[in-house]
Amino acid sequence: DTGVSQDPRHKITKRGQNVTFRCDPISEHNRLYWYRQTLGQGPEFLTYFQNEAQLEKSRLLSDRFSAERPKGSFSTLEIQRTEQGDSAMYLCASSLESPPRGNTGELFFGEGSRLTVL
Amino acid sequence: AQSVAQPEDQVNVAEGNPLTVKCTYSVSGNPYLFWYVQYPNRGLQFLLKYITGDNLVKGSYGFEAEFNKSQTSFHLKKPSALVSDSALYFCAVRASYSSASKIIFGSGTRLSIRP
Repeated sequence: DTGVSQDPRHKITKRGQNVTFRCDPISEHNRLYWYRQTLGQGPEFLTYFQNEAQLEKSRLLSDRFSAERPKGSFSTLEIQRTEQGDSAMYLCASSLESPPRGNTGELFFGEGSRLTVL
Repeated sequence: AQSVAQPEDQVNVAEGNPLTVKCTYSVSGNPYLFWYVQYPNRGLQFLLKYITGDNLVKGSYGFEAEFNKSQTSFHLKKPSALVSDSALYFCAVRASYSSASKIIFGSGTRLSIRP
């Protein structure tokens, strides 16, 4: 299966600890998104990359959140000093974007990484 | 700034009846519009998209959506609902004027189809 994969699928941590999630997109996809979803709500935009460049980060995101995509392939999302309010499903999605007007390609989502902060 | 509104938290339909899930959007310039579906404990799956051209677009599982520029809407429809259509549905929008444009999702509508 060459879909989007996320690891770990579930993480339980204590408040104040750091956690890191990994996303492996579909191999030929150049754009990668991170979203956060709480129960019954829509995905909330966090950040996205075009290849290794981080194009935008949500203003709602605190400095405790950081994401990287060092070689334009896999990406990591780190949350430092976790708080109970960080408990959510963290979704990764990838798409193929081609200039000049954008491929308008649809997003392909992974199964998500569920974070529980105790 | 772009935004999406899904005014109904839940839509209940009897099997075999037509269904509509509403979506309105706000974006600078022309939009790219999408519908996604999420089944319990599953990731989001793409259903259909509007980019340009015919205002009525057809997608997976017999769903279609109608783009209405004057009403800034992109309602999801299906002529005859199935119990298996029960799921969470999300509308999403992106501005078309720039390739550096993120995709924003609505809050979702839970579709419940009763036998």
